[in-house]
Amino acid sequence: EVQLVESGGGLVQPGESLRLSCATSGFTFSDYALNWVRQAPGKGLEWVSYIGPRGRSATYYADSVKGRFTISRDNAKSSLHLQMNSLRDEDTAVYYCARDIASCSGDNCYEIRFDYWGQGALVTVSS
Amino acid sequence: EIVLTQSPGTLSLSPGERATLSCRASQSVSSSYLVWYQQKPGQAPRLLIYGASSRATGIPDRFSGSGSGTDFTLTISRLEPEDFAVYYCQQFGSSPRYTFGQGTKLEI
Repeated sequence: EVQLVESGGGLVQPGESLRLSCATSGFTFSDYALNWVRQAPGKGLEWVSYIGPRGRSATYYADSVKGRFTISRDNAKSSLHLQMNSLRDEDTAVYYCARDIASCSGDNCYEIRFDYWGQGALVTVSS
Repeated sequence: EIVLTQSPGTLSLSPGERATLSCRASQSVSSSYLVWYQQKPGQAPRLLIYGASSRATGIPDRFSGSGSGTDFTLTISRLEPEDFAVYYCQQFGSSPRYTFGQGTKLEI
């Protein structure tokens, strides 16, 4: 059974840092790309960051977090991380990790979607 | 940046009725990259439809997706009580890599 479990959320003050983790099981972790998606209270979904699978660990970020957040993965421990620095009030949200899957032929991929999600970790930035 | 606009914002229907949810893109989107999710209160999103029209594993056949170019539709043929939730469309692009629509709340 595929499982993703986030941890590391909490209450921090503006300007502080926090590191989220996503522990996974039930699949070959290194074969899959992963994402962080967040949801502010009462709001919609916002994609935050992407990291590619083993051998293609490209990273991408939403403009709203670029330069402040860093995504990383530990293939040996099947875990995903999000280092969040210089946090702002508007970063308050539930943060989900999500597995990214696609049908690929060489470098051409299609039918890209997030097929498994964690339950989320709440990050609150407030003074 | 491609913007996805979902309509209506809220859709009020009864069990047994047909629901039609719209997702309109500001530029043409490959059907291969258009996805629909369902989210219930307090839960993570759940994958429903990918490639604009392919149902994810375990999704009942009352859910169907269609569309191309800039106009995409999620249809629920006969609403069940458990279908009342918020629905999001999503697309894969270049920058940003992914965008979501703002969601449609389907309420009784």
